[in-house]
Amino acid sequence: NAGVTQTPKFQVLKTGQSMTLQCAQDMNHEYMSWYRQDPGMGLRLIHYSVGAGITDQGEVPNGYNVSRSTTEDFPLRLLSAAPSQTSVYFCASSLRAGVALRGSNEQFFGPGTRLTVL
Amino acid sequence: GEDVEQSLFLSVREGDSSVINCTYTDSSSTYLYWYKQEPGAGLQLLTYIFSNMDMKQDQRLTVLLNKKDKHLSLRIADTQTGDSAIYFCAESLSGNTGKLIFGQGTTLQVKP
Repeated sequence: NAGVTQTPKFQVLKTGQSMTLQCAQDMNHEYMSWYRQDPGMGLRLIHYSVGAGITDQGEVPNGYNVSRSTTEDFPLRLLSAAPSQTSVYFCASSLRAGVALRGSNEQFFGPGTRLTVL
Repeated sequence: GEDVEQSLFLSVREGDSSVINCTYTDSSSTYLYWYKQEPGAGLQLLTYIFSNMDMKQDQRLTVLLNKKDKHLSLRIADTQTGDSAIYFCAESLSGNTGKLIFGQGTTLQVKP
């Protein structure tokens, strides 16, 4: 299994440009999510999905769109990039959407995409 | 709303014990987690504790949970330079979503 993969690893955008950050997992996980990581602020949830065709907003959804047309893929779209979106973006997945009765329902993280918006 | 708080920085000498602390707000959290992030990498699950437990030990790691005070700690015994990383505490929210709320992360610096 490749686990959770993210592309690209690095990206530089100009203000106003749009782009899509790709995330894929090959573990047949129900739950997928996107976080952004900023210094001193930990990880903040942008959007999440509890299964194909179902998405919902997290803490900081403004300026981002997601879709989940397949179990494997969960792309994050920046509609019109702003300097405030400069961050490291992590995709994560877990087996079940709910907290498992047994086991930890561990979230597996991708390696991250470092985005700079000029 | 839900919130998880951690101190931002801890420095210890190699061979000493490290204790990283965390407080959380959702008293109905089912699981609490410790993740480790090495430079330039994603997060990896270190250990977790179920909310009906007070303590969990896993080799050099000891997790203590005080549900009354909503306080979680991670103790690393015999800290090594390879333990230098950012450590995140996270709580699972009640309900059937699988969402986690993360703390700000504690940077552990281990001096030789």
